[in-house]
Amino acid sequence: GAVVSQHPSWVICKSGTSVKIECRSLDFQATTMFWYRQFPKQSLMLMATSNEGSKATYEQGVEKDKFLINHASLTLSTLTVTSAHPEDSSFYICSARDWSLYNEQFFGPGTRLTVL
Amino acid sequence: RKEVEQDPGPFNVPEGATVAFNCTYSNSASQSFFWYRQDCRKEPKLLMSVYSSGNEDGRFTAQLNRASQYISLLIRDSKLSDSATYLCVVNTQQTGANNLFFGTGTRLTVIP
Repeated sequence: GAVVSQHPSWVICKSGTSVKIECRSLDFQATTMFWYRQFPKQSLMLMATSNEGSKATYEQGVEKDKFLINHASLTLSTLTVTSAHPEDSSFYICSARDWSLYNEQFFGPGTRLTVL
Repeated sequence: RKEVEQDPGPFNVPEGATVAFNCTYSNSASQSFFWYRQDCRKEPKLLMSVYSSGNEDGRFTAQLNRASQYISLLIRDSKLSDSATYLCVVNTQQTGANNLFFGTGTRLTVIP
């Protein structure tokens, strides 16, 4: 199956710093990538849809100025958590859709963010 | 009301047992249905798609009832390696975007 990578796999940072998470599709082109967040014992919640070459579409309640998304190429999307605070600590997972495989999304391994 | 609702469990079953998970979804316009498996601190991985006619993949059987907006997953002859959280996932296409809605997951532990 298609492979999606994320980097870093985990990060610990101080409150107020910004953290960038990369999501790459390794063996296919992804015009659309998705960013999810999962708090402990909760379901994955879609944060935003990242579209190559255009602005991301954010879900209701997600601050676009806090969670900056850049989808500069067909294989790379980045999520930057600006001025991170402890409540931003979560498991961030990206996924990418391979249009050649109808409706299947492939998930990255996730990035565990801990803000002290 | 949540888009997708699941019994969170946990389900603790002995090896070899048969276990069934249920899920309901709220949007009657939902188009695609899946079961994903998520191991602790890992990303979700597709277990199987769910088709209207029901489908089977080895020990796993998925059923869909569109009239009741109900999805099920049956695992026969449980193995220790089946221990994981099983996520019911529904795809509801909105304004050209495919959105996956995840249930909270049902935790399964298979006991030796």
